[in-house]
Amino acid sequence: SYVLTQPPSVSVAPGKTARITCGGNNIGSKSVHWYQQKPGQAPVLVIYYDSDRPSGIPERFSGSNSGNTATLTISRVEAGDEADYYCQVWDSSSDHRAVFGGGTKLTVL
Amino acid sequence: QVQLVESGGGVVQPGRSLRLSCAASGFTFSSYGMHWVRQAPGKGLEWVAVIWYDGSNKYYADSVKGRFTISRDNSKNTLYLQMNSLRAEDTAVYYCARDLGRAAAGMFRWGQGTLVTVSS
Repeated sequence: SYVLTQPPSVSVAPGKTARITCGGNNIGSKSVHWYQQKPGQAPVLVIYYDSDRPSGIPERFSGSNSGNTATLTISRVEAGDEADYYCQVWDSSSDHRAVFGGGTKLTVL
Repeated sequence: QVQLVESGGGVVQPGRSLRLSCAASGFTFSSYGMHWVRQAPGKGLEWVAVIWYDGSNKYYADSVKGRFTISRDNSKNTLYLQMNSLRAEDTAVYYCARDLGRAAAGMFRWGQGTLVTVSS
């Protein structure tokens, strides 16, 4: 079964750039979606199809995907960006299912 | 705007059944795939099931296959999750989510979730 690996935590100072990785075997051949979840709230889609941003998501959020790693980049990090971030793909190679990474807690110092 | 409202959660004994509902509005429900995703207390997201826009295909996580059934009523703009033979490990907040498209890809918008607690 397909596995997505994320670092458990990432810390960044306000105004700096945060990069959250999502590793998977040949993930560059799949479409990756990213979700932000703040405590007590439902997840929110922040990046879809590797690098597209839904309406209302700041341009500070961007995504890339190549080889075995997808990356969510948050520029000019703000205190309000502190949250859990999850990557997700649809795996139809062996079985049809959605796969989530384990999640990364972004801490703004 | 897209709105999803889950209902039907509660406390249930192990081995019993529960049916969750998700009322959709603000978009053409019959044009989109729909998912159920759950989150156990303090844990990450776990995908549960998906149903194609027309109900023609349904897929399940191994952890619920044979016990849970996803369905939809496009005339009522409502998604369902029938959960049978519930176990303690099924305790979680259950979210419904609209897909990006007709089948299954990613979750464009999520409901606020409904809590299911399986306990004797």
